[in-house]
Amino acid sequence: QKEVEQNSGPLSVPEGAIASLNCTYSDRGSQSFFWYRQYSGKSPELIMFIYSNGDKEDGRFTAQLNKASQYVSLLIRDSQPSDSATYLCAVNWGGGADGLTFGKGTHLIIQP
Amino acid sequence: DADVTQTPRNRITKTGKRIMLECSQTKGHDRMYWYRQDPGLGLRLIYYSFDVKDINKGEISDGYSVSRQAQAKFSLSLESAIPNQTALYFCATSGGSGNTIYFGEGSWLTVV
Repeated sequence: QKEVEQNSGPLSVPEGAIASLNCTYSDRGSQSFFWYRQYSGKSPELIMFIYSNGDKEDGRFTAQLNKASQYVSLLIRDSQPSDSATYLCAVNWGGGADGLTFGKGTHLIIQP
Repeated sequence: DADVTQTPRNRITKTGKRIMLECSQTKGHDRMYWYRQDPGLGLRLIYYSFDVKDINKGEISDGYSVSRQAQAKFSLSLESAIPNQTALYFCATSGGSGNTIYFGEGSWLTVV
């Protein structure tokens, strides 16, 4: 069973600080990795994706991928109260498999 | 208007009843998916379809069936609903394997 693991939280971060969200996955051959944000009762919305080892930055968000350690993270700089949400890590296993496998999500709370 | 539209958005049904959730998309994507989300269990894939002639089971297909009526339409049926199928259901689309998945607004289903 291929799995995506996230700490469920809640993770509480002061406004303006850096929020660090972590995710591990079980299959070393996984090819693509996604971070989604989900507000309560709403649909997940894509924040960013990453395919290659290293960092990828988009505005206040940075995704970090380390395939050797099977680890992907999301950093949110200058955290805002509007960033309070559940963050879902998702993995495409590749090898012809379709769809994404999601972690259970980390609940992030930004404290004003 | 949303690119991925689900109907109904909310539905309460009785145990043993047949219920259909419908999904239509204007993104022009070939791939469509049905996920369910439960508290503490995250998003789980029910079925997915590569095109109108292709249907594949996901992680939790038992008790569900699907129909791909056209490239833009993908419906999910519960032939005989049971209370543990109470969940938030999402339709989603993507442009290809490993690509970003885009979600509809969700359908809340309660089976009493």
